[in-house]
Amino acid sequence: DAMVIQNPRYQVTQFGKPVTLSCSQTLNHNVMYWYQQKSSQAPKLLFHYYDKDFNNEADTPDNFQSRRPNTSFCFLDIRSPGLGDAAMYLCATSIGQGITDTQYFGPGTRLTVL
Amino acid sequence: SQQGEEDPQALSIQEGENATMNCSYKTSINNLQWYRQNSGRGLVHLILIRSNEREKHSGRLRVTLDTSKKSSSLLITASRAADTASYFCATDDGRQGGSEKLVFGKGTKLTVNP
Repeated sequence: DAMVIQNPRYQVTQFGKPVTLSCSQTLNHNVMYWYQQKSSQAPKLLFHYYDKDFNNEADTPDNFQSRRPNTSFCFLDIRSPGLGDAAMYLCATSIGQGITDTQYFGPGTRLTVL
Repeated sequence: SQQGEEDPQALSIQEGENATMNCSYKTSINNLQWYRQNSGRGLVHLILIRSNEREKHSGRLRVTLDTSKKSSSLLITASRAADTASYFCATDDGRQGGSEKLVFGKGTKLTVNP
């Protein structure tokens, strides 16, 4: 089945230790997104790629970076995780930017910072 | 900035009852979408309603949209325990031709008691 896969599902890191979260998709979608979702809050868009074009949200901290080496894979790098970065990180994809395009989400990676 | 606001924040009902959740937004839109999130999981797209539509059905789901009031409602009929989840509305930014970005509300946490 075509899907969005996130690995790992649970990630524990230490304060200040770089961590990378990964996302892959078999949908061949053009757009890939990374969201941060804290407990009982709305998913917050960090950045997205339209093909290779990177689009950063204005309020995304510099501590967060992303790579998309090919259509299928996208990575979220947190250079120096702080306690406030503990959250669920959701990857999503969409075909494009049409007004009827919906987003397909992965199961998320829950990040714990010790 | 957050576009959608769901109401109520939490809703607890008995199995078989109907559940109604509301969403208000601030600016013009091309479409409004509803997503569901089971605890600790990714979001699943439920239904999309375009700005020129007033009502849409999908199985036990009924969505209405009132662009004059900038509001939408999601009705789940004959609820089941398996409907227990958080429900989020999401809107685009109204740009002509569509936008690959969505802004999510904080969600309504629905509990359906057996």
